[in-house]
Amino acid sequence: DSGVTQTPKHLITATGQRVTLRCSPRSGDLSVYWYQQSLDQGLQFLIQYYNGEERAKGNILERFSAQQFPDLHSELNLSSLELGDSALYFCASSGGQAPQETQYFGPGTRLLVL
Amino acid sequence: AQSVSQHNHHVILSEAASLELGCNYSYGGTVNLFWYVQYPGQHLQLLLKYFSGDPLVKGIKGFEAEFIKSKFSFNLRKPSVQWSDTAEYFCAVSSGGSYIPTFGRGTSLIVHP
Repeated sequence: DSGVTQTPKHLITATGQRVTLRCSPRSGDLSVYWYQQSLDQGLQFLIQYYNGEERAKGNILERFSAQQFPDLHSELNLSSLELGDSALYFCASSGGQAPQETQYFGPGTRLLVL
Repeated sequence: AQSVSQHNHHVILSEAASLELGCNYSYGGTVNLFWYVQYPGQHLQLLLKYFSGDPLVKGIKGFEAEFIKSKFSFNLRKPSVQWSDTAEYFCAVSSGGSYIPTFGRGTSLIVHP
């Protein structure tokens, strides 16, 4: 158990819908990272928050957005869902944002868009 | 942009066989290197990491990796695999002062008992 929790574990929805994925970082960790893992793209970095502020952006679509709340949990919002958004979405956390820091990953949310 | 290549997509071994998984990256400057493992149905967890110093890094569960700067490589090794090593292995690299790693596509390892 990494100490990072993600809910829900599985999500099935239809095209055009909007979903929210939730992540709680390890106790004391200030950084939260979101990744998308799909068969054709591998593990892709989406976005990072540090202590409530957006710090780095990766291959995140405009239909996707995220935020980190004062209690440090984070939510990833996916809207106007398409079939291609079906993937495993991971959240990771670390204490700060130094290159040497280990990222601790959650169990992931498996999203299926029908 | 940094790219990470894991040449072996699927590896099948018998127990007690030796393992070497390849990882090559493209960036020629200062790099931070990681190997993560994902056991079936579980989250990614760190096996080992390299930032500086001894290029031979020891990790958990008997794994080690060697950083060869001239070859842009960070191969993962284990002298004798066990059935419990069956998992997906990911190499990741951050570079140029960035703390966001780029992941390889992963290598699926199956160990037959």
